[in-house]
Amino acid sequence: KAGVTQTPRYLIKTRGQQVTLSCSPISGHRSVSWYQQTPGQGLQFLFEYFSETQRNKGNFPGRFSGRQFSNSRSEMNVSTLELGDSALYLCASSLTRPDLNTEAFFGQGTRLTVV
Amino acid sequence: AQSVAQPEDQVNVAEGNPLTVKCTYSVSGNPYLFWYVQYPNRGLQFLLKYITGDNLVKGSYGFEAEFNKSQTSFHLKKPSALVSDSALYFCAVRATSGSARQLTFGSGTQLTVLP
Repeated sequence: KAGVTQTPRYLIKTRGQQVTLSCSPISGHRSVSWYQQTPGQGLQFLFEYFSETQRNKGNFPGRFSGRQFSNSRSEMNVSTLELGDSALYLCASSLTRPDLNTEAFFGQGTRLTVV
Repeated sequence: AQSVAQPEDQVNVAEGNPLTVKCTYSVSGNPYLFWYVQYPNRGLQFLLKYITGDNLVKGSYGFEAEFNKSQTSFHLKKPSALVSDSALYFCAVRATSGSARQLTFGSGTQLTVLP
């Protein structure tokens, strides 16, 4: 069974540009969450989707957005990139609704570097 | 708001010795608690979870964790450490009720097992 797939693995962008990251969850999983990981801030929650609906959102500016498609695949978009957006972006999928007791399975992440 | 504290940034232990990685949490109501491990340039791997019931939870790779409600702790343990256990360990909490259901992570503890 394939795991969570995130594409691309590495990305270099220039300040002011926008970027779209993709996440394909484990087959059958309907919940997708996104996290930003940086050395200074650790793992910070971005948003959670279930059945194409955003269930929860973290404390990030409106430049960060996401969506989930009918096949449970998810994308997140960051507009007007800033140097501080450089981070490892992790996607996680869960079998059921995100607020139940199921564990999340993580992808390998997308390493975004903003120059 | 829910939170997780991992008081030790770094834990060093000799191979074959027992290891403990500490975690305390704060959440309204009862918690769901999780431990994840991260190897360099990889996503997070699920180790174990506490949902309800027995306070001693057994997980992958010989790891176990003890839930202590009075001390609001969920320390990760292993009777005999291996060099291959060297990695970054994250404790996480999810509330079982209320609106804040996202998975909240601690800052991580770097475990180094010395040969």
